Amino acid sequence: AQKITQTQPGMFVQEKEAVTLDCTYDTSDPSYGLFWYKQPSSGEMIFLIYQGSYDQQNATEGRYSLNFQKARKSANLVISASQLGDSAMYFCAMRERSNTGNQFYFGTGTSLTVIP
Amino acid sequence: DTAVSQTPKYLVTQMGNDKSIKCEQNLGHDTMYWYKQDSKKFLKIMFSYNNKELIINETVPNRFSPKSPDKAHLNLHINSLELGDSAVYFCASSPVAGGTDTQYFGPGTRLTVL
Repeated sequence: AQKITQTQPGMFVQEKEAVTLDCTYDTSDPSYGLFWYKQPSSGEMIFLIYQGSYDQQNATEGRYSLNFQKARKSANLVISASQLGDSAMYFCAMRERSNTGNQFYFGTGTSLTVIP
Repeated sequence: DTAVSQTPKYLVTQMGNDKSIKCEQNLGHDTMYWYKQDSKKFLKIMFSYNNKELIINETVPNRFSPKSPDKAHLNLHINSLELGDSAVYFCASSPVAGGTDTQYFGPGTRLTVL
């Protein structure tokens, strides 16, 4: 099974609207972490937000929030009040801990386009 | 100060050549990684390395080899470059354990093999 699944290859959102990018994960590690990264057209990978498996509350960072539904194994990214600069690829990732160190898994990404 | 840096940013070379990409992190992290991102934006882990162990993705050809002179550096050497090696290569680092263990990425190196 895929460790991280992003089912939306591309998404469009009107400027100033909110958008949800989907991510589901699969793990048996009780102590995992979930991340979202943004990759604009310039190419760099920018860390956006983190959610730990034991965190009771959904993570928030400015306009980004992570809708963490543990029983469903989903970790959707919500971007509120979209801006033109939010147009980018977004990657969901998961960290598992093992006796050889951290293992990271990435989804295939969602391309978000913000329409003026 | 740049947390994770890579040089060069762009690398254009001929098939069959040998090249290296350098990576340095000043975050004090214990583990460093190399990823390959293909033209479809898929990120593939190539190596992870801490001061104790190198973990190699078994699908990576042995023409690729990481070299770590110290904890803050993990360079990528590529021998006998092939057309299919053209991609963007990212270096990243994270702590071993503790806190969020967030992985931070370098700016990437775009390799073009002609």
